[in-house]
Amino acid sequence: GAGVSQSPRYKVAKRGQDVALRCDPISGHVSLFWYQQALGQGPEFLTYFQNEAQLDKSGLPSDRFFAERPEGSVSTLKIQRTQQEDSAVYLCASSSEVAWEGNEQFFGPGTRLTVL
Amino acid sequence: AQKITQTQPGMFVQEKEAVTLDCTYDTSDPSYGLFWYKQPSSGEMIFLIYQGSYDQQNATEGRYSLNFQKARKSANLVISASQLGDSAMYFCAMLTGGGNKLTFGTGTQLKVEL
Repeated sequence: GAGVSQSPRYKVAKRGQDVALRCDPISGHVSLFWYQQALGQGPEFLTYFQNEAQLDKSGLPSDRFFAERPEGSVSTLKIQRTQQEDSAVYLCASSSEVAWEGNEQFFGPGTRLTVL
Repeated sequence: AQKITQTQPGMFVQEKEAVTLDCTYDTSDPSYGLFWYKQPSSGEMIFLIYQGSYDQQNATEGRYSLNFQKARKSANLVISASQLGDSAMYFCAMLTGGGNKLTFGTGTQLKVEL
């Protein structure tokens, strides 16, 4: 069965460029999450969607980061005017239920963003 | 605020031996879930095991077991009969009430040797 997929797997951007990262969650999954993982660190939460509603964006580091999930399935994370500190792996996860403390999240392979 | 602490940046274990990866957590929320994920060099996060805060028994999944000591706020992962394929980064993580954001530790790099 299909898991969570992300594209592109690797992205190199020049400082100042805009980038868009795509996440295809498992079909039918209600909840979708984005995380940022810096080199040698654990993932850090960015934002959460329940269907098309963005219920929590408290982890987005600046207003250059924007995420959407307009039809409640595919999600896009957009970073405007990229900076070197944005270099990281961006992980997308989905889960079948509305978020609760026992809800397993299924992760995609991530997009490795390098900003030069 | 929630916090996960993994104090072992790296661990070595011989094949077929058991190994314990440490995890302590901090939360004031009475209801929470604890997770362990494996991240091989390919990058994806693979779910291993889950323990709920109200679960009376320690969770087990095949060769993985979770040593849950609630009073000490620890949730150590035990891998029995280590295999070469177990070499990876291991993350402890927590979900609290509302459960919309996993809080991760810094990870432990496990290397299994012949």
